[in-house]
Amino acid sequence: DTAVSQTPKYLVTQMGNDKSIKCEQNLGHDTMYWYKQDSKKFLKIMFSYNNKELIINETVPNRFSPKSPDKAHLNLHINSLELGDSAVYFCASTQASNSGANVLTFGAGSRLTVL
Amino acid sequence: AQSVAQPEDQVNVAEGNPLTVKCTYSVSGNPYLFWYVQYPNRGLQFLLKYITGDNLVKGSYGFEAEFNKSQTSFHLKKPSALVSDSALYFCAVRGGNSGYSTLTFGKGTMLLVSP
Repeated sequence: DTAVSQTPKYLVTQMGNDKSIKCEQNLGHDTMYWYKQDSKKFLKIMFSYNNKELIINETVPNRFSPKSPDKAHLNLHINSLELGDSAVYFCASTQASNSGANVLTFGAGSRLTVL
Repeated sequence: AQSVAQPEDQVNVAEGNPLTVKCTYSVSGNPYLFWYVQYPNRGLQFLLKYITGDNLVKGSYGFEAEFNKSQTSFHLKKPSALVSDSALYFCAVRGGNSGYSTLTFGKGTMLLVSP
């Protein structure tokens, strides 16, 4: 199946721990994103990578570090987790070179709960 | 900076009745406008988009949206609601022709269709 796949789907951890979320797309897209959806369902972009290069880096604590080993993968590593990091993290991808009309394809989300 | 306003947190409609979910936007230049839907515990799914041309855009599942440049609106509509349409709906905007620019989402509107 062509898709955006995220792992893990659920992640429960203690404050202060370090964790990673992985994302892979097999759609052949050149651009990938991380979005954070908070408890009020508000979606905010965190990062965007185009062909492994960072192109969008919103105001996000530097405890969050994205890594893109190739254009099909975008991982998110979070250091020293805090309670406020609890959210659903969505990975998305698109073919950005197709112009501003490009459509994002989203993964199913990774629900992070920090205790 | 670009922004999207969805003035209603929730829209309630009876099955078989028409529905409207409101969206207004602010952006520099010509807008690219999108509607996405999120079902519980799922990622966002693309419904439809406006690029240029006809102000009435048709999309998936019988949904359509009307672009109104003077009112800077892009309301989502459906002539006859189904219970299965109950979900969270997001309006989004991207300004300019660059596919690399940020897609900004509204806060979402929960649509509840009663039998």
